[in-house]
Amino acid sequence: AQSVTQPDIHITVSEGASLELRCNYSYGATPYLFWYVQSPGQGLQLLLKYFSGDTLVQGIKGFEAEFKRSQSSFNLRKPSVHWSDAAEYFCAVGAGGFQKLVFGTGTRLLVSP
Amino acid sequence: GAVVSQHPSWVICKSGTSVKIECRSLDFQATTMFWYRQFPKQSLMLMATSNEGSKATYEQGVEKDKFLINHASLTLSTLTVTSAHPEDSSFYICSEKGMAADTQYFGPGTRLTVL
Repeated sequence: AQSVTQPDIHITVSEGASLELRCNYSYGATPYLFWYVQSPGQGLQLLLKYFSGDTLVQGIKGFEAEFKRSQSSFNLRKPSVHWSDAAEYFCAVGAGGFQKLVFGTGTRLLVSP
Repeated sequence: GAVVSQHPSWVICKSGTSVKIECRSLDFQATTMFWYRQFPKQSLMLMATSNEGSKATYEQGVEKDKFLINHASLTLSTLTVTSAHPEDSSFYICSEKGMAADTQYFGPGTRLTVL
C-alpha cells in the first residue's frame, strides 16, 4: 500500500533563510505527488504537483520540489522564506483511478524574525 | 485552481443530534468528491469517495450509517453526521475533482464540536 513519510514534525527557519521540507513515499508504480499547505483552521491549498516529465517542479509562492525516484523522495524547497509561509505543509501521493490521496503527517513550519 | 466552498464553517451541536455539512463546487463540475477528517495537529484521513449519482465508497473503519454522504449533483455533496457524539468532534474537509482531472481541490473545512 502506498504511504508517505514526512520525518520532520516541526521546522523553524529564520525569515529570509532557505527551506527544505522532506517527503518520502512508498508506491509501486510511478506516483502522482503533491504538496499542499494549510493555514490554521483552513483547508488545503495546492502548492505544486508532479506527474511526469521534468523532475524539478515549480509551484506557487516561490516553492519548488524535486522528484528523485532513486530516493523515493519529493522534497519541497524555497530559497527565501517569508513570515507568511508559516503553516502546516502536507505531502501526498495519489493513486488509483479516482486519485485517492494518501497524506503524510505534515510538517509545521515556524518562521522566526 | 478550482473554488470549493463548505458550509457551515463551524458548528456546535448537542450529543445525539445530526449535523449536515455541505460542500459546493463553485466553478467546475465535480464528478468525484472526497470527505476527509482531520484531528487536531494530525493529518487528513480519507473517509469516503463519492461519484455523482452513485453510492459513496467508504474507507475501512468508517461507519457508513453514521456518516451519510450524498452526491446528488455535480456541484453539491453533503456529509451528515448522524447521532453525533463528542468523539465525532473534528475538522471535516471535502475535496473535489472533475472528470479526467488529476488534482483535488479542497474546501476550507468545517469545525464540528459535539457537546
